[in-house]
Amino acid sequence: AQSVSQHNHHVILSEAASLELGCNYSYGGTVNLFWYVQYPGQHLQLLLKYFSGDPLVKGIKGFEAEFIKSKFSFNLRKPSVQWSDTAEYFCAVTVLGSTSGTYKYIFGTGTRLKVLA
Amino acid sequence: DAGVTQSPTHLIKTRGQQVTLRCSPKSGHDTVSWYQQALGQGPQFIFQYYEEEERQRGNFPDRFSGHQFPNYSSELNVNALLLGDSALYLCASSLIYDYEQYFGPGTRLTVT
Repeated sequence: AQSVSQHNHHVILSEAASLELGCNYSYGGTVNLFWYVQYPGQHLQLLLKYFSGDPLVKGIKGFEAEFIKSKFSFNLRKPSVQWSDTAEYFCAVTVLGSTSGTYKYIFGTGTRLKVLA
Repeated sequence: DAGVTQSPTHLIKTRGQQVTLRCSPKSGHDTVSWYQQALGQGPQFIFQYYEEEERQRGNFPDRFSGHQFPNYSSELNVNALLLGDSALYLCASSLIYDYEQYFGPGTRLTVT
């Protein structure tokens, strides 16, 4: 069965520290990969996405992620975190449906990041 | 440009009751997906609607059903509520053949 694993459930960092959140997926077909962020009291927002091409993708707010096909990974990075980055981060992969044009997202369980000022 | 809206924001129901949640997609979107997010978990896919038909379904029992209207809005119905149905229910909209989904704020359902 398709799945997404996020190994770090809780991460605590000080401001200016570097961040790397792990994401691994198990799906043998063509994948589209996403990182979403959920700030406290807000809804899921797209941070970045990978469909094809350059495996290093840049998103909003200084985040980037690298797709490594051989490792089935899509890790999220940020060189220097800020207090405002405190949020829950979800990795997701699309799985194509049997009907053309249909798909579903498979989400990881999320990583809660707390940044200390 | 209005994003995805959901109603109600919060809902409290008793075991055995039925509930209907509503979603209006982002302007221009034609596809609606529903997810259940239990506390401390990632969203779990329930089903996807396009052209008023259920196109894709996750691993949820038949107690979960839905509908899409001609204006692309959608409803999620849950019958015979169980305590385990307590969760945040998320609606996401997109364009068919576009993999990027936009999420609404969710409806928090509590079953007592």
